[in-house]
Amino acid sequence: EPEVTQTPSHQVTQMGQEVILRCVPISNHLYFYWYRQILGQKVEFLVSFYNNEISEKSEIFDDQFSVERPDGSNFTLKIRSTKLEDSAMYFCASYEYGLAGGLSYNEQFFGPGTRLTVL
Amino acid sequence: DAKTTQPTSMDCAEGRAANLPCNHSTISGNEYVYWYRQIHSQGPQYIIHGLKNNETNEMASLIITEDRKSSTLILPHATLRDTAVYYCIVHLLYNTDKLIFGTGTRLQVFP
Repeated sequence: EPEVTQTPSHQVTQMGQEVILRCVPISNHLYFYWYRQILGQKVEFLVSFYNNEISEKSEIFDDQFSVERPDGSNFTLKIRSTKLEDSAMYFCASYEYGLAGGLSYNEQFFGPGTRLTVL
Repeated sequence: DAKTTQPTSMDCAEGRAANLPCNHSTISGNEYVYWYRQIHSQGPQYIIHGLKNNETNEMASLIITEDRKSSTLILPHATLRDTAVYYCIVHLLYNTDKLIFGTGTRLQVFP
């Protein structure tokens, strides 16, 4: 079964440092997302991306955040100057809909996440 | 904000059916009910979705009331590996918008 992959699984950084979280979405998917989950809290939407542009972003996604699809396979989230409150699990997701083998598919596929710890 | 309400937690004995309720009284006519689950801080995993008829797949069954204001996810024979947080989400079909997660139901399956 196709899957979304994310690297690294755990990133530890000092406050104020830049981090880049990497994701490889499912190959034929065109819509990409980043979500985050602070420990013990809900999964929160950060940003969606389509056709090399941001489709939507949340209030959390301020100027410190950026996303990029640098090549045909990777999708990255950059945090320019990390804060303590950026410590969280970050999930990448990708989406496509259609029919395959007579079955319809219509769900966002999530990666395993990157645990970001800011010290 | 999430358009759904779920109990905070539930327990289920291994091998028994787990019935997880969800209220979505403000659901619109073209919105579907989706269920995802999250096992121990892993990425959320899709389970099933439906509009108004009951749905079943290899993972679960989904029962939606006739007025569509509530639904129940059924895991027919719960296993220890089904211990997870289950999220009920209202979403349009074939829609690229973000998913809005609530707090979900933490299901604990015990031996």
